[in-house]
Amino acid sequence: KNEVEQSPQNLTAQEGEFITINCSYSVGISALHWLQQHPGGGIVSLFMLSSGKKKHGRLIATINIQEKHSSLHITASHPRDSAVYICAVTGNQFYFGTGTSLTVIP
Amino acid sequence: ETGVTQTPRHLVMGMTNKKSLKCEQHLGHNAMYWYKQSAKKPLELMFVYNFKEQTENNSVPSRFSPECPNSSHLFLHLHTLQPEDSALYLCASSQDQHLGGYTFGSGTRLTVV
Repeated sequence: KNEVEQSPQNLTAQEGEFITINCSYSVGISALHWLQQHPGGGIVSLFMLSSGKKKHGRLIATINIQEKHSSLHITASHPRDSAVYICAVTGNQFYFGTGTSLTVIP
Repeated sequence: ETGVTQTPRHLVMGMTNKKSLKCEQHLGHNAMYWYKQSAKKPLELMFVYNFKEQTENNSVPSRFSPECPNSSHLFLHLHTLQPEDSALYLCASSQDQHLGGYTFGSGTRLTVV
């Protein structure tokens, strides 16, 4: 069993829809990261959070430490949001989820 | 460009070849990382260097040999690889190993034939 589980694995949405990607983890952590990987491999670090909520443009990330759960929300989704979104946690080690592949259709 | 530059972008090598992957950053970061991403698998952390010292080696086979001559450069030397080593190899950097805020390179797509 992976220490970090993401759901869904694949997600297709219409442009403009509100999107939620979930991440659950089973280890003690000091921080949780949301990463975005575009086709071709390049990865961008979207958020690092250890509590509460962070917002950047149309992206919102939340974390509930007690429940060991985080969500990434995308408001007013756009085709350029199509990418793989990866949840990662850092504690004693780095653990990564397998990613959620998002496709936003115009 | 993210500030972390990896070369080459693509590499095809035979199992008897020796090659090196290069990663360079001029962000003033002190920690650098090698990750491996195989198809359908989570990202795997391979090595961590913090202030030029290797601080983590995640049970990586010795056919992968990292080198960090200074805080701005990181190499991954490859020799006698196997086809299952074909993957995307990603480099990242951060201000310090314990502070997060990672910047990733675009990766080297390695194919071992």
